[in-house]
Amino acid sequence: GAVVSQHPSRVICKSGTSVKIECRSLDFQATTMFWYRQFPKQSLMLMATSNEGSKATYEQGVEKDKFLINHASLTLSTLTVTSAHPEDSSFYICSARLTSVETQYFGPGTRLLVL
Amino acid sequence: QQQVKQSPQSLIVQKGGISIINCAYENTAFDYFPWYQQFPGKGPALLIAIRPDVSEKKEGRFTISFNKSAKQFSLHIMDSQPGDSATYFCAAINTGNQFYFGTGTSLTVIP
Repeated sequence: GAVVSQHPSRVICKSGTSVKIECRSLDFQATTMFWYRQFPKQSLMLMATSNEGSKATYEQGVEKDKFLINHASLTLSTLTVTSAHPEDSSFYICSARLTSVETQYFGPGTRLLVL
Repeated sequence: QQQVKQSPQSLIVQKGGISIINCAYENTAFDYFPWYQQFPGKGPALLIAIRPDVSEKKEGRFTISFNKSAKQFSLHIMDSQPGDSATYFCAAINTGNQFYFGTGTSLTVIP
């Protein structure tokens, strides 16, 4: 149980375009989903926390107008990287938390490469 | 400020040996401590977790030892196998459900 999927697993785009990444909890309802960014050989950096039906809470230093997060249902959250630039190239990972449990379950990640 | 300090940064162990990864925390409001295993190009996967009212938890070859007074906890991997080669992250969650990761340990198990 507690499976989280992400789509796409890998995306290459041109600078200036927007990219949408989907995060789904497949077998449970997640009132809270998280978006992380991970650089090579580094730990996960929390970007934002999203609660279903409300605005996401962004961590300090993360541009909310650049990284648009929508959590429209209890099983789906999306991250849109707007006007992507090469410095946005990274590994983006989402996670979901069961309502009554502290543990987060992570998706497989999305590798974004901006040319 | 790093809320959870993890060591070592990298670890090389012979097949069949014991891998030990240590974490320490400062905030006494933490009340849940999971460990995650991450393979290259994949998301972290929950391995094992412990609460501070327990000093040890064992699941198969994986054991968490918890020292509440020292504010330290460690992961022991018994009979380490090449398939265990991955990056391991400890984490701590506080009573407000805020999640803090350690910096990660890259484990290599040599055949």
